[in-house]
Amino acid sequence: TQLLEQSPQFLSIQEGENLTVYCNSSSVFSSLQWYRQEPGEGPVLLVTVVTGGEVKKLKRLTFQFGDARKDSSLHITAAQPGDTGLYLCAGAATGNQFYFGTGTSLTVIP
Amino acid sequence: NAGVTQTPKFQVLKTGQSMTLQCAQDMNHEYMSWYRQDPGMGLRLIHYSVGAGITDQGEVPNGYNVSRSTTEDFPLRLLSAAPSQTSVYFCASSYSRDSLSYNEQFFGPGTRLTVL
Repeated sequence: TQLLEQSPQFLSIQEGENLTVYCNSSSVFSSLQWYRQEPGEGPVLLVTVVTGGEVKKLKRLTFQFGDARKDSSLHITAAQPGDTGLYLCAGAATGNQFYFGTGTSLTVIP
Repeated sequence: NAGVTQTPKFQVLKTGQSMTLQCAQDMNHEYMSWYRQDPGMGLRLIHYSVGAGITDQGEVPNGYNVSRSTTEDFPLRLLSAAPSQTSVYFCASSYSRDSLSYNEQFFGPGTRLTVL
């Protein structure tokens, strides 16, 4: 059972463009995390959002947690080649478990 | 600090063989977990532990065993390897089980396993 669906699955854009990645679920989560993963490495945490409606900004990245705490989005402004990677959302559910999304592979072309 | 370490980095097994994937962390984290990563499916939780002597099943536990005799180590055992277990395996640790929602998970570099 895949609780978190991400879209799009693949994204290839030119440097300087904006993009949004979506993470959707029918389940409610106590928090939502976003990770970025480089090839051959483990995921690295970008941000944690815990309150419905919360918006967090990390330089050119903007993260939003849905009001009902079932979905989230990641918006990147003026994408750069260094943003290339696999972006994963992860929801914290009851019972000490994290559920990861299906992943979005982003390629930023110089 | 070395963080989360995993060995081996690569492994090839034949169907039916058994092996243990090692995971260790030096951050005194209570929470440790094992995930497998398959194309198009993100990471799926296999087993997790909220402290020494305590383990529980995740989303896809069948075919895997774990134990947690110390805070630092959390090995994953494949009892009888099958081709469906070909995957990349990641171990992760987190500071406290009591506030899991707020805690960052630190991941190891992964073990790439192929079962023929």
